[in-house]
Amino acid sequence: QLQLQESGPGLVKPSETLSLTCTVSGGSISSSSYYWGWIRQPPGKGLEWIGSIYYSGSTYYNPSLKSRVTISVDTSKNQFSLKLSSVTAADTAVYYCARHPTTVTRWFDPWGQGTLVTVSS
Amino acid sequence: EIVMTQSPATLSVSPGERATLSCRASQSVSSNLAWYQQKPGQAPRLLIYGASTRATGIPARFSGSGSGTEFTLTISSLQSEDFAVYYCQQYNNWPPTYTFGQGTKLEIK
Repeated sequence: QLQLQESGPGLVKPSETLSLTCTVSGGSISSSSYYWGWIRQPPGKGLEWIGSIYYSGSTYYNPSLKSRVTISVDTSKNQFSLKLSSVTAADTAVYYCARHPTTVTRWFDPWGQGTLVTVSS
Repeated sequence: EIVMTQSPATLSVSPGERATLSCRASQSVSSNLAWYQQKPGQAPRLLIYGASTRATGIPARFSGSGSGTEFTLTISSLQSEDFAVYYCQQYNNWPPTYTFGQGTKLEIK
């Protein structure tokens, strides 16, 4: 059964870079059938897609965050990572990683359990 | 950018009754629509994809319908475990983007 697990610092200072890693187990990140994505959820609010990556390294990002986001993949470790630069309090959120298919119709499944990142000095 | 609007924001229904949740897209998304259930402290759980296909392990009381800009999630007979927040999500082919609705909270009446 495929599982995803987010990891990284739970506290980041304003103006610094948020860095998270998602480790995939029970399956290969190098599957040609899937992308791997990041989604976030501010406390008490809705969901926002951040960006996605293919095992080859091809990426696409939410236009509203594109200037600050970098997503990368390490197939040897079965991991993909998120970097979000110049963070502010508005970036405080639970960050999820999830898989989504490459088909015409796309959805996120499964999801990691999520990790809360707080931006504060 | 395609905007997804869910209604109502909160829906109060008694156990055993039917719940109908709506999701509207600001422009056509064909059948590129998914529904998720989220309980407090948990990650979202996929319920429906392709507007009407139930995900693996999802009970038959959950059904999705619609295409284009109007979509509906119906829960035929509410169980206690169904009270949660529900989100719709669309995928747009070009530029490739995903957007979620703001959620509908389904609460016990």
